[in-house]
Amino acid sequence: GQNIDQPTEMTATEGAIVQINCTYQTSGFNGLFWYQQHAGEAPTFLSYNVLDGLEEKGRFSSFLSRSKGYSYLLLKELQMKDSASYLCAVRLHNYGQNFVFGPGTRLSVLP
Amino acid sequence: DSGVTQTPKHLITATGQRVTLRCSPRSGDLSVYWYQQSLDQGLQFLIQYYNGEERAKGNILERFSAQQFPDLHSELNLSSLELGDSALYFCASSVGAYTEAFFGQGTRLTVV
Repeated sequence: GQNIDQPTEMTATEGAIVQINCTYQTSGFNGLFWYQQHAGEAPTFLSYNVLDGLEEKGRFSSFLSRSKGYSYLLLKELQMKDSASYLCAVRLHNYGQNFVFGPGTRLSVLP
Repeated sequence: DSGVTQTPKHLITATGQRVTLRCSPRSGDLSVYWYQQSLDQGLQFLIQYYNGEERAKGNILERFSAQQFPDLHSELNLSSLELGDSALYFCASSVGAYTEAFFGQGTRLTVV
């Protein structure tokens, strides 16, 4: 089966840096994606890793280690608007290419 | 705006009824995915279509069915509705195998 784990909740202070971890055990790995979702809204794409290493995109960076089944999303210079759920998703490489989402990490940014 | 359009945005219906949710993918996207998200729950994968063909199936109930039409829009049919079917239903689309999926704004279904 497919299993993706993330911490349920995290709290950080405005201006700080936070790292959200994601571990996965899946078959047919074909990429790891991070999405942001504000309550009641659609998930929006943040970043994508298919090879090991760090991908940087402005205040957001994502890291992948395929051998360890591990990824993290790094958010710098936190802003209040970053309070949201962050979803880790694995894309599976099989006939039915599909995304499997983790449970999400609810991040609260405090002033 | 992701370019993925879902209608209706809100739907209230009674138990036992049948509803159809519609999704228009981004222009050029061949893959369509359907997800269910219950209150404070994660995204549960229901089904995926690629260019009109079913490609993957998740934990989709037998009361639910979907299809993708030649113009690539997709419909999710939910029948014999139960209170527990109340949820946000998201559609997402992607170009192909190695690209991210973009989500529509969702349809909030309330079964009373």
